[in-house]
Amino acid sequence: GQQVMQIPQYQHVQEGEDFTTYCNSSTTLSNIQWYKQRPGGHPVFLIQLVKSGEVKKQKRLTFQFGEAKKNSSLHITATQTTDVGTYFCASVTPKFYFGSGTKLNVKP
Amino acid sequence: GAGVSQSPSNKVTEKGKDVELRCDPISGHTALYWYRQSLGQGLEFLIYFQGNSAPDKSGLPSDRFSAERTGGSVSTLTIQRTQQEDSAVYLCASSLPGGGRTQYFGPGTRLLVL
Repeated sequence: GQQVMQIPQYQHVQEGEDFTTYCNSSTTLSNIQWYKQRPGGHPVFLIQLVKSGEVKKQKRLTFQFGEAKKNSSLHITATQTTDVGTYFCASVTPKFYFGSGTKLNVKP
Repeated sequence: GAGVSQSPSNKVTEKGKDVELRCDPISGHTALYWYRQSLGQGLEFLIYFQGNSAPDKSGLPSDRFSAERTGGSVSTLTIQRTQQEDSAVYLCASSLPGGGRTQYFGPGTRLLVL
């Protein structure tokens, strides 16, 4: 299957600092999705990347899909306490393979 | 419109008992997924239904776990002879047919096996 590895497992930042999580696969991915799970909540869809080298932005969030479609990243600029949660990437085959997630904690 | 609903929201049971968890997907969503999430962990794929096709059961951890989907809508996940290691949040998600569709998750059922 199209397993995806996600790093780091945890990230603690001061409010205002940037944050990046990375998703890597040993195989070429058809597309990749990103989800956010707030503490005590359920995963919520953020975005889907399909094209090689694709870059998408949502306010302070920037999503990238690698040229070889084997990796992806989510970058948050100037984190806020509302960014706290766990961020998951998922490869779609159509069966979903979720990464292990990166838990972000933001200190005010 | 209504999102994915799951019931019960919480379930406490004794080791060895059977439990049934229910998922009502979004109307029109032919794809339905079950996941298990242990405390602080990622999402573990359990089973995938797509329309009338045979379900992908490759993620079920043992033969104590089974799931069915009646009429292409409601799904029930059954855990027989529950064990303490079955304690987790069981999440259901649905999506439209076809690859690359957004998954919409339900609130989950928190299962505690004593």
